[in-house]
Amino acid sequence: GNSVTQMEGPVTLSEEAFLTINCTYTATGYPSLFWYVQYPGEGLQLLLKATKADDKGSNKGFEATYRKETTSFHLEKGSVQVSDSAVYFCALSPTGTASKLTFGTGTRLQVTL
Amino acid sequence: ETGVTQTPRHLVMGMTNKKSLKCEQHLGHNAMYWYKQSAKKPLELMFVYNFKEQTENNSVPSRFSPECPNSSHLFLHLHTLQPEDSALYLCASSAGLAGTNTGELFFGEGSRLTVL
Repeated sequence: GNSVTQMEGPVTLSEEAFLTINCTYTATGYPSLFWYVQYPGEGLQLLLKATKADDKGSNKGFEATYRKETTSFHLEKGSVQVSDSAVYFCALSPTGTASKLTFGTGTRLQVTL
Repeated sequence: ETGVTQTPRHLVMGMTNKKSLKCEQHLGHNAMYWYKQSAKKPLELMFVYNFKEQTENNSVPSRFSPECPNSSHLFLHLHTLQPEDSALYLCASSAGLAGTNTGELFFGEGSRLTVL
């Protein structure tokens, strides 16, 4: 079946540090890939997505590239801020639709001054 | 009005109680979802409704009973729960299941349930 594996957190970084959160997936065919973010006390919200191999999703300074050869979709940001502290979820959909989303366990990011 | 609103935000109940969680979306979406979020586990999809009809039930125990009276409202009725059911229950909506659905879910803030 489909699955998503994320690096375990928490990840603690100083402000302006470089961020990488690893995500790998298992799926048949060509799934769409997503990163969702959950800020404290809030529900999840879509951060970025990519729908085919080599696509790069980007938003709010975050980027992730769909790597089919390594079945990965790592999230990166060049300079994190305290306001980026949240839980980040990698997800896939085999059909590209919300009804078939499979999520990872989430990775908590804590950014300090 | 925020997009997806869930009430109550926090709920404590005994194993013999009956309670309900409520979700309302103001986005004009046709599909609604219940997810369970437990620590260190992937989000678990529980139920999916499309145009008020249930399209998915992921082997959820019968002590959880969903109700979708219209496309804007979704309930989760709780009865005879177990302590391991304690979790954050998230409601979400999307524009549809296919076609115009781009894979984006809009989530509420969740209902934190504690079963004693």
